[in-house]
Amino acid sequence: DQQVKQNSPSLSVQEGRISILNCDYTNSMFDYFLWYKKYPAEGPTFLISISSIKDKNEDGRFTVFLNKSAKHLSLHIVPSQPGDSAVYFCAASDAGTYKYIFGTGTRLKVLA
Amino acid sequence: DVKVTQSSRYLVKRTGEKVFLECVQDMDHENMFWYRQDPGLGLRLIYFSYDVKMKEKGDIPEGYSVSREKKERFSLILESASTNQTSMYLCASSLSSGVGEAFFGQGTRLTVV
Repeated sequence: DQQVKQNSPSLSVQEGRISILNCDYTNSMFDYFLWYKKYPAEGPTFLISISSIKDKNEDGRFTVFLNKSAKHLSLHIVPSQPGDSAVYFCAASDAGTYKYIFGTGTRLKVLA
Repeated sequence: DVKVTQSSRYLVKRTGEKVFLECVQDMDHENMFWYRQDPGLGLRLIYFSYDVKMKEKGDIPEGYSVSREKKERFSLILESASTNQTSMYLCASSLSSGVGEAFFGQGTRLTVV
């Protein structure tokens, strides 16, 4: 029972264009959402987060959008750079349990 | 900077061996986690701990146990390693608030032969 889903295993984008990574969740108790970036043979590093009381959070080139009614969030990267090539995981947490539930990841490739 | 350190980057163990994976964090975080990462399956939670000597099962606890005797250290134990436990193991820690990010270690690539 996958509570957090990333339905696109991979995505290729030209350098300078926008990358949009999507994530869906099923548990309406989730109230905090995060995006992580992971390079091979390294641990995930935190990128950006959003609380369920907001619908948008921006940090430099990264913006996360949350649509609670659709149980959907997305990460926008503008402009995309070759160094952004990595696997991106979305995650969700429920303040009552403190657990982080991760999606299956999307491999982003930014083409120079 | 928050630092989460896993004791080994790479390990090769034989089937049936008892395996210990150690994790230490230096930010006085209450919560600590063990995940495994497998292709196509993402990060799956094995166990987590919200306080010293406290532990809760995650989504895939079978074949694993954990120990948290001190706040900064969280150990994952494979009682009898099997080939299907070959994976990347990731330790993480976070504050108790439930809001905010989890910080990850560099990972341990375990191969069971």
